[in-house]
Amino acid sequence: AQSVTQLGSHVSVSEGALVLLRCNYSSSVPPYLFWYVQYPNQGLQLLLKYTSAATLVKGINGFEAEFKKSETSFHLTKPSAHMSDAAEYFCAVRSTGANSKLTFGKGITLSVRP
Amino acid sequence: AAGVIQSPRHLIKEKRETATLKCYPIPRHDTVYWYQQGPGQDPQFLISFYEKMQSDKGSIPDRFSAQQFSDYHSELNMSSLELGDSALYFCASSPFFAGGNEQFFGPGTRLTVL
Repeated sequence: AQSVTQLGSHVSVSEGALVLLRCNYSSSVPPYLFWYVQYPNQGLQLLLKYTSAATLVKGINGFEAEFKKSETSFHLTKPSAHMSDAAEYFCAVRSTGANSKLTFGKGITLSVRP
Repeated sequence: AAGVIQSPRHLIKEKRETATLKCYPIPRHDTVYWYQQGPGQDPQFLISFYEKMQSDKGSIPDRFSAQQFSDYHSELNMSSLELGDSALYFCASSPFFAGGNEQFFGPGTRLTVL
């Protein structure tokens, strides 16, 4: 079975500081990996995805993530946090089979201090 | 661009009542997924359909049933509602021949069981 682990439930950074949200996956085969963002009372929006092409993936809103097979990691980063980045972030994994379900991590709440 | 439509957006029911949630996928998307997100929880996969056939099943209670219709919209039927069914229910859609393509999420239906 595939799974993802997101360390910590809450991360707080100052505006302009580096954002680093950690995600480690467990999968017997190379997976597809995703980061989704959820703003309060809203749906899930895709930030970026890894689908076995480039290991460094750039997404929307200045976010990027690097797939590291040796570390089974897919950490999300942003060089400079903005107040509007405050939200819940979910890492998710799915198998490469068609119509495969997503398995989400527990999520990380990002707070941005002025 | 067209997005996934879910209705209703909010629903309040009493215990032991029934509820029907509807999902209209993005045009030309033939696969629909249902997820349940409890308060402060990560989304959990319930069930998915491809071409009107159930393609995968997750932790969906026996009290729940779902189907996909000829126009690809899907309905999640929930009976004998319990307090613990209060959650945000997401529908997502994707095209079948999508490889690592993402699932596009709707805004969700917030179900409150009193």
